[in-house]
Amino acid sequence: GNSVTQMEGPVTLSEEAFLTINCTYTATGYPSLFWYVQYPGEGLQLLLKATKADDKGSNKGFEATYRKETTSFHLEKGSVQVSDSAVYFCALSGPDTGRRALTFGSGTRLQVQP
Amino acid sequence: ETGVTQSPTHLIKTRGQQVTLRCSSQSGHNTVSWYQQALGQGPQFIFQYYREEENGRGNFPPRFSGLQFPNYSSELNVNALELDDSALYLCASSSMGQAFEGANVLTFGAGSRLTVL
Repeated sequence: GNSVTQMEGPVTLSEEAFLTINCTYTATGYPSLFWYVQYPGEGLQLLLKATKADDKGSNKGFEATYRKETTSFHLEKGSVQVSDSAVYFCALSGPDTGRRALTFGSGTRLQVQP
Repeated sequence: ETGVTQSPTHLIKTRGQQVTLRCSSQSGHNTVSWYQQALGQGPQFIFQYYREEENGRGNFPPRFSGLQFPNYSSELNVNALELDDSALYLCASSSMGQAFEGANVLTFGAGSRLTVL
C-alpha cells in the first residue's frame, strides 16, 4: 500500500534560517505529491503540489521537487518567518485509489523564533 | 466563494453512543471526503462521496457511515463509539472531473473535534 514518511519534529529555527523538511514515500505507480500546512485551529491548506517526476512545486517561498529516483519530496524555504510556524504534512494520491484518497505523513511541527 | 464549513466544532460523547457530524462543501464542489486525524498524527481517509454515493473507502469499519445530499453537503455518522474514535474529523470538498494536472485538489474545513469518554 501507499505510505509517507516525514522527519519527526518539532523543528525549531530562528527567523531567516533555511528550512528543510524531509519526506519520502512508497506508492504504486506514479502518485501525485503534496505539501499541506495546518495552522493552529484551522483546517489543512494546500501549500504546493507536483504531479510528475522532476516537477517543482512552489508557493509563498516554499519549494519541493518530485524525485522519483529517491522517492522523495523534501520541502525547503530559504528564509523562514515567525508566521511560518505551523504543522506541515506531506501527502500523496495514487492511481491505485483513482486519486480519490490522500495518504498523509504524520506531520512535522515547525516553530520559528524571532 | 465560501469555504468548507463543519459543525459542531467540538463535542463530547460517551462510549457506545452515536454521533453525526456535518459538512457544507465549498461552492462549486461536488465531491466530499472525510478524514480522521488522531492527536499528533496525519489525517486518515475514511471515505468519499460523489453523486450521493460512496465513491471509495479507507480502512474503517462499517459503523462509520456517511451521506451526501443533493446540495453536495454531507454527514458522517459513527455508531457504537469507542474511546479510539476520539479525534479531529476533517471534511474536504473537491470537484470531480476538474482534476488539475492529474491531481484532485482538496479544500479542507477546520474540523470537528470529538472526544469519547
